[in-house]
Amino acid sequence: QLQLQESGPGLVKPSETLSLTCTVSGGSISSSDSYWGWIRQPPGKGLEWIGSIHNSGSTYYNPSLKSRVTISVDASKNQFSLTLSSATAADTAVYYCARGMIVLVRLHYFDSWGQGTLVTVSS
Amino acid sequence: DIVMTQSPDSLTVSLGERATINCKSSQSVLYYSNNKNYLAWYQQKPGQPPKLLFYWASTRESGVPDRFSGSGSGTDFTLTISSLQAEDVAIYYCQQYFSTPYTFGQGTKLEIK
Repeated sequence: QLQLQESGPGLVKPSETLSLTCTVSGGSISSSDSYWGWIRQPPGKGLEWIGSIHNSGSTYYNPSLKSRVTISVDASKNQFSLTLSSATAADTAVYYCARGMIVLVRLHYFDSWGQGTLVTVSS
Repeated sequence: DIVMTQSPDSLTVSLGERATINCKSSQSVLYYSNNKNYLAWYQQKPGQPPKLLFYWASTRESGVPDRFSGSGSGTDFTLTISSLQAEDVAIYYCQQYFSTPYTFGQGTKLEIK
């Protein structure tokens, strides 16, 4: 059974870079039928897709965050990572990593999710 | 961006009764070449990550009880729970995967009367 686990600092200072890693177990991040995505949820609010990556290196980002986001994959560790630069209080959220099931080229829905990790941006 | 709008924002239903949640997209998410609607439904219980219920608008994910059903096409979609159980208390989200950026509805909070 596929499992995903987010890890990283729970507190980030404003203007600094938020960095998270997702470790995948029970499956290979090199699977050709999968994208690997990050989704966030501010406290008490809805879901926002941040971006997704394929093990080939192909990435897609939400334009609203694109200038600050980088998603990368480390197949040797079965992990993928998120960095979000110039963090502000508005980036405070629970960050989820998820597996995207490819349905057409790059299009995918999310069928397995990590438990999520709360990142607070505050001095 | 495709805007997803759910209604109602919250819903209170008695145990054993039907619950209906609507989702409307700002443009069609029906891909004509394969006649599939690129629409998913998720259930999120307190303190838990979202759980996939349906993809292709109406294809039930493995393990999802059959009291849940998904329907609709084009821009209008519905999630129905035929007989509400206590464990169905959650927030429900629709999401389009027709085009990036993927977008979610604002969520519908389902409670028991």
